[in-house]
Amino acid sequence: NAGVTQTPKFQVLKTGQSMTLQCAQDMNHNSMYWYRQDPGMGLRLIYYSASEGTTDKGEVPNGYNVSRLNKREFSLRLESAAPSQTSVYFCASSAEQAEKLFFGSGTQLSVL
Amino acid sequence: KQEVTQIPAALSVPEGENLVLNCSFTDSAIYNLQWFRQDPGKGLTSLLLIQSSQREQTSGRLNASLDKSSGRSTLYIAASQPGDSATYLCAVPNQAGTALIFGKGTTLSVSS
Repeated sequence: NAGVTQTPKFQVLKTGQSMTLQCAQDMNHNSMYWYRQDPGMGLRLIYYSASEGTTDKGEVPNGYNVSRLNKREFSLRLESAAPSQTSVYFCASSAEQAEKLFFGSGTQLSVL
Repeated sequence: KQEVTQIPAALSVPEGENLVLNCSFTDSAIYNLQWFRQDPGKGLTSLLLIQSSQREQTSGRLNASLDKSSGRSTLYIAASQPGDSATYLCAVPNQAGTALIFGKGTTLSVSS
């Protein structure tokens, strides 16, 4: 019973490098989300996908892009990483928007 | 804009105490409220979801109440145990109903 799976768990990047965070859920959920968690700032929404084929910006979308590849997978891409993107990233899913949320275990990203 | 506040930010209690964690939100037009638990270095786990038509939800030693008119929710933990030590976050839907907005959490430490 995997739930929400995120990869990688840890990543170190140099400024300017790019990378993609992968997320997959096996609960047949329609909605998926990417949040970042920073000390003192709490969890902030980066992007979300209400259903397959749609994506929308959240509170802090600058510097990120997303792809809802299919119903199961929702990836987050950093095109040119900056130190300000050092954070813990969480993927989550729910059956419908803003319903019971299931989280992945997170990706700890450091940008040097 | 919906805002969620949790007070206190941290709480330390001896084992066996009953305790209350508080959550307040600025826009009372919500249709649910969720409480989550986060252990260090882990993702968030949903504890309780209260629909707007309900006043409370119970799961084991946890009881969550919701008072929409006053913009408040409380999480009551009975007979606390060291294993309850974690950060507890509450979340409500944003005004568009598309995603959850989180409080910054209360970090609970229960000593044996």
